[in-house]
Amino acid sequence: DAKTTQPTSMDCAEGRAANLPCNHSTISGNEYVYWYRQIHSQGPQYIIHGLKNNETNEMASLIITEDRKSSTLILPHATLRDTAVYYCIVRAPMKTSYDKVIFGPGTSLSVIP
Amino acid sequence: AAGVIQSPRHLIKEKRETATLKCYPIPRHDTVYWYQQGPGQDPQFLISFYEKMQSDKGSIPDRFSAQQFSDYHSELNMSSLELGDSALYFCASVERYRRGTDTQYFGPGTRLTVL
Repeated sequence: DAKTTQPTSMDCAEGRAANLPCNHSTISGNEYVYWYRQIHSQGPQYIIHGLKNNETNEMASLIITEDRKSSTLILPHATLRDTAVYYCIVRAPMKTSYDKVIFGPGTSLSVIP
Repeated sequence: AAGVIQSPRHLIKEKRETATLKCYPIPRHDTVYWYQQGPGQDPQFLISFYEKMQSDKGSIPDRFSAQQFSDYHSELNMSSLELGDSALYFCASVERYRRGTDTQYFGPGTRLTVL
């Protein structure tokens, strides 16, 4: 699986959009970008994933650049409960990816009142 | 929606004792993964099972063993516990071969403290 690079930490004002970047310059053409988050001492929570098109669900939006070398997770209206470590993970194609999730350092997001 | 269930949520043991952690996957999920998260660390993969067979193995100590049962629940058995085994243990599950997704869903974890 390709390696990812994320900022160590970020702050975001409550109610504002949180934009979390991720670089994955060695991503292969058929690898997916996944985002998980972990609120302190809780189990990691799946947020969203995508291949090359932008994706949106009830939690967040995922914007993937055209060359797929980077992506941004957007939390449109951050709340205090969004304070967590966010992990950007690149994974092999679906049919072969019943594999462990490899968690990197992630970004520690602090939402500030 | 049903989630992954882990029990117990908290466990305190003495050194050299044994512990058994249990994981009940989401209904219809047939693949289970175990992860260990030490203090201040990211979760690390231990072992996984599909259809009661071990499918992958990470940095799991020889003192640990695990299995998956016919109802797909899994148990992680830990013997000769050491202080360094104190950690959060997460279980995750997925429905293998379900068309369109292989997203792993994580349980709330078991916090093991070894004294």
